[in-house]
Amino acid sequence: DADVTQTPRNRITKTGKRIMLECSQTKGHDRMYWYRQDPGLGLRLIYYSFDVKDINKGEISDGYSVSRQAQAKFSLSLESAIPNQTALYFCATSSRGTPMAQYFGPGTRLTVL
Amino acid sequence: AQSVTQLDSHVSVSEGTPVLLRCNYSSSYSPSLFWYVQHPNKGLQLLLKYTSAATLVKGINGFEAEFKKSETSFHLTKPSAHMSDAAEYFCVVSDIVSGAGSYQLTFGKGTKLSVIP
Repeated sequence: DADVTQTPRNRITKTGKRIMLECSQTKGHDRMYWYRQDPGLGLRLIYYSFDVKDINKGEISDGYSVSRQAQAKFSLSLESAIPNQTALYFCATSSRGTPMAQYFGPGTRLTVL
Repeated sequence: AQSVTQLDSHVSVSEGTPVLLRCNYSSSYSPSLFWYVQHPNKGLQLLLKYTSAATLVKGINGFEAEFKKSETSFHLTKPSAHMSDAAEYFCVVSDIVSGAGSYQLTFGKGTKLSVIP
């Protein structure tokens, strides 16, 4: 079984809809992250959480919110989806300390029409 | 602030020939550096990491990278390309966030490697 899972894997939605992407991990890591990937731009950090009570904005948090329901679960929400949020979204986890190698889920491909 | 520049957006090699994917970084402190690989329609997989120990780092699938502080480079190499190496590769720097006591990753924009039979 995969260590980091994401649901759904693919989603098509309409402008203005609320969308939630979910991430679960069995690695026992404290730290979890959400990224989006756009062609030619690499990965950009949306939000990260170092433990259940610690949530931090990343580089591109506008238009997104997150919830850390438990150590193993970290959800990303788009309150009112817009077309430029069409992208591939990745969840990742890491243990404490350095080096901070991260372990990625398989990704969620989101299309906003 | 830290940054990563992958010097080539696309590299094409013939099967059996060497691979060189170039990466330069800037960092205020002593960074940790990583290479990740992403195969089509897959997530990112860690290839190797540099953590201030040996400057020549060996990773999975025959890849290695050399940390050169004087050149601020961390190029990825492989002696002989295989068809299965065709993927996108990301160079990543991990640096301390000033005043925050935590680390953050910055990704390069990726290099797409094509392997010609």
